[in-house]
Amino acid sequence: DAGVIQSPRHEVTEMGQEVTLRCKPISGHDYLFWYRQTMMRGLELLIYFNNNVPIDDSGMPEDRFSAKMPNASFSTLKIQPSEPRDSAVYFCASRLGGEQYFGPGTRLTVT
Amino acid sequence: KQEVTQIPAALSVPEGENLVLNCSFTDSAIYNLQWFRQDPGKGLTSLLLIQSSQREQTSGRLNASLDKSSGRSTLYIAASQPGDSATYLCAVRHGAGKSTFGDGTTLTVKP
Repeated sequence: DAGVIQSPRHEVTEMGQEVTLRCKPISGHDYLFWYRQTMMRGLELLIYFNNNVPIDDSGMPEDRFSAKMPNASFSTLKIQPSEPRDSAVYFCASRLGGEQYFGPGTRLTVT
Repeated sequence: KQEVTQIPAALSVPEGENLVLNCSFTDSAIYNLQWFRQDPGKGLTSLLLIQSSQREQTSGRLNASLDKSSGRSTLYIAASQPGDSATYLCAVRHGAGKSTFGDGTTLTVKP
């Protein structure tokens, strides 16, 4: 398996623009997690899904953030409108049973 | 609310030294504990997973222990190498759902 796949790897956008981050989990994994990592706040869980259903979105910072998982092999995290304070590395991770596996991350810069 | 602490935040050792990284958590009712490695600009790579019923796990030069009653886990690295330089994070999982991550220990192994 290719592991967790995220796209794009880097995104630079202007404040106010819509940003969509994509994730393909490892095939067969039933949990999917979205995290954000910054120097100031470390690794934060934003939302996670179980069998495509959102279970806990309490980490989503504002209504500007939304996440979907239309099927078992695809998820998106959308920020609309984006703000400079959203600049961070966004990770997707998937899990079946015990271990969590992380994607390479998307480095988002909002200017 | 589970809190996970990793001390020290940074550690520098000469090559060849054995070392211990610490992870403490406040709620002992955990499901499992996972140690990760993160290289600069990269995603998290799983190193070891310890189930709540286990006391330790070993992989090569790495050994992770778990003491639920005291709320502690240690990651032992034997005969450290410059290639071990990275940030090491522990993650405590509470049940079927999410994990709580520590802020990590940044390790530098000097040749």
